[in-house]
Amino acid sequence: NFLLTQPHSVSESPGKTVTISCTRTSGSIANNYVQWFQQRPGRAPTTVILEDKIRASGVPDRFSGAIDTSSNSASLTISGLKTEDEADYYCQSFGTINRVIFGGGTKLTVL
Amino acid sequence: EVQLVQSGAEVKKPGESLRISCQGSGYRFSSYWIGWVRQLPGQGLEWMGLIHPEDSDTKVSPSFQGQVTMSVDKSSATAFLQWTSLKASDTAMYYCARPYSTSWNDAFDVWGPGTLVTVSS
Repeated sequence: NFLLTQPHSVSESPGKTVTISCTRTSGSIANNYVQWFQQRPGRAPTTVILEDKIRASGVPDRFSGAIDTSSNSASLTISGLKTEDEADYYCQSFGTINRVIFGGGTKLTVL
Repeated sequence: EVQLVQSGAEVKKPGESLRISCQGSGYRFSSYWIGWVRQLPGQGLEWMGLIHPEDSDTKVSPSFQGQVTMSVDKSSATAFLQWTSLKASDTAMYYCARPYSTSWNDAFDVWGPGTLVTVSS
């Protein structure tokens, strides 16, 4: 099985754009879809991006997902940052032994 | 509206048994896998496993194999996660979630609010 590696934390100012990466350690990132989840403090996760780049229902178009086979990574980009975007973000994909694999999570601080 | 409603917080002693629940509504419960996800205090999300309500087919993470039991009751549209002998290390938030389609390997798009399990002597 592979791992999904995320930066521990990122920070950016309101109104700016931030990108969170998710690197697959073995096998191609394109082999299995990548999802992104947002978890605000004390709350359950919510789905932000499905299948690499599809925004979940109700998610504003400030959020976008992509994959890059050259770096074997997926990314979540949030533009026009708002303080309400401050949260932990997790990427997730599918494996064979561990069928569902989560990245370690990235804490986004909007300051 | 599709919803997953989880049972309330639990406080247990080591060695005790526990069953927590996740009730689905607003959709055909028997058609969709239900997944379980653990979150240790201050830590990330860990996939525990999936169960299909129609035939109780399960896919369990090797990390949790033999540690927990997943089950369902179709008549009440409820999935369960059960321990026979809790340990302090089982203290965590447990989420149930449903994929957006009837395949197990589709993204979770509905999440329950979580059940906090505290195991302490």
